[in-house]
Amino acid sequence: DTEVTQTPKHLVMGMTNKKSLKCEQHMGHRAMYWYKQKAKKPPELMFVYSYEKLSINESVPSRFSPECPNSSLLNLHLHALQPEDSALYLCASSQDQGFTDTQYFGPGTRLTVL
Amino acid sequence: GQQVMQIPQYQHVQEGEDFTTYCNSSTTLSNIQWYKQRPGGHPVFLIQLVKSGEVKKQKRLTFQFGEAKKNSSLHITATQTTDVGTYFCAALQIKETSGSRLTFGEGTQLTVNP
Repeated sequence: DTEVTQTPKHLVMGMTNKKSLKCEQHMGHRAMYWYKQKAKKPPELMFVYSYEKLSINESVPSRFSPECPNSSLLNLHLHALQPEDSALYLCASSQDQGFTDTQYFGPGTRLTVL
Repeated sequence: GQQVMQIPQYQHVQEGEDFTTYCNSSTTLSNIQWYKQRPGGHPVFLIQLVKSGEVKKQKRLTFQFGEAKKNSSLHITATQTTDVGTYFCAALQIKETSGSRLTFGEGTQLTVNP
């Protein structure tokens, strides 16, 4: 099973809403990632968890709050977002946060902030 | 930080024609990965190149890593409509304090006219 699943597939929220994105993998991977991708642009790294600990925060605004409840799950909590935060949010995982590890991407959550 | 320049940004070809996308870096790369993202889809890992001068083939796709490990290319022979998508190169950037992360090129969007 080389699948990373993400829910929901689509999300529309207002600027005052609180919502969460979920990501799950059952490949035994110990590194999990959140990326943001705008249309016609490459994925931009937001956060990295390695062995359930936050190892990279790419200076992401605090209205995005990641959480790694266990080695298979990764959440992204959203609060007071802005319309410019509308994008495709991709989760990825890899065996380790290492030198040659392939990243497996989930299908993404397409977020629209009104 | 490390940047990877990718060209061209767009490429339109007739089915059966060849296609090449190039990635260049001003610094020596540890390795380079290639991903394909279909329209409306998510990035899917294609290949990883690690060694200087390495060449790898996957059916009609040929991947090369330059001798100086500063450039890479992806060549598709006799394109098919199934090749449509955006091809990204991604270089691994390693930081002692926070581990590794992928830096993506801007991508080359390939369209194939049947």
